Amino acid sequence: KAGVTQTPRYLIKTRGQQVTLSCSPISGHRSVSWYQQTPGQGLQFLFEYFSETQRNKGNFPGRFSGRQFSNSRSEMNVSTLELGDSALYLCASSFDRVGLSIQTQYFGPGTRLLVL
Amino acid sequence: AQSVSQHNHHVILSEAASLELGCNYSYGGTVNLFWYVQYPGQHLQLLLKYFSGDPLVKGIKGFEAEFIKSKFSFNLRKPSVQWSDTAEYFCAVGPGYSSASKIIFGSGTRLSIRP
Repeated sequence: KAGVTQTPRYLIKTRGQQVTLSCSPISGHRSVSWYQQTPGQGLQFLFEYFSETQRNKGNFPGRFSGRQFSNSRSEMNVSTLELGDSALYLCASSFDRVGLSIQTQYFGPGTRLLVL
Repeated sequence: AQSVSQHNHHVILSEAASLELGCNYSYGGTVNLFWYVQYPGQHLQLLLKYFSGDPLVKGIKGFEAEFIKSKFSFNLRKPSVQWSDTAEYFCAVGPGYSSASKIIFGSGTRLSIRP
């Protein structure tokens, strides 16, 4: 099976701009989660989508939003970019069958965003 | 609320040395425990996971971890490290029978191996 793919891999933006990142999960996986990874903060959970609905949300401002399509592909949008948004944005997918005792996440390579 | 603590931010070892990376968590219920590794320039990969049964879990590349419930710990070990083990290691914990997004990650431990 193909792994989780993310596009683009690298992005340079300026303050005030907006950006959209894309994630294609492993085939058959219905849950997609987004994380922000920075050297000082580690992995911070942004949100999770399941069956086109946001199921969980982390502690990030409303400038961060996302959506999921019927084929489970997901996009994440950041509006009004700030310097502090520079980070590696990771997408992870999981199968997430109801009642499954263990939910393992599989990560994509990430999109490295630099805000100037 | 659950939390994960990785005590060492940066560990430096020589090749062939033994490795133990600490991970402690706080959560009272059934837990799933994970170790992920991120090699330089690569994406996060699952090293091993525990959800029930034998508390000593064997993973890929010779790594193992032991779940000690009484100590709320899930330390990662390798008897003899190689230069190629240079990477960042993340411990993660999630409540059992729950969404993967409930998994909490530790802040990571950077492992540098001197050739």
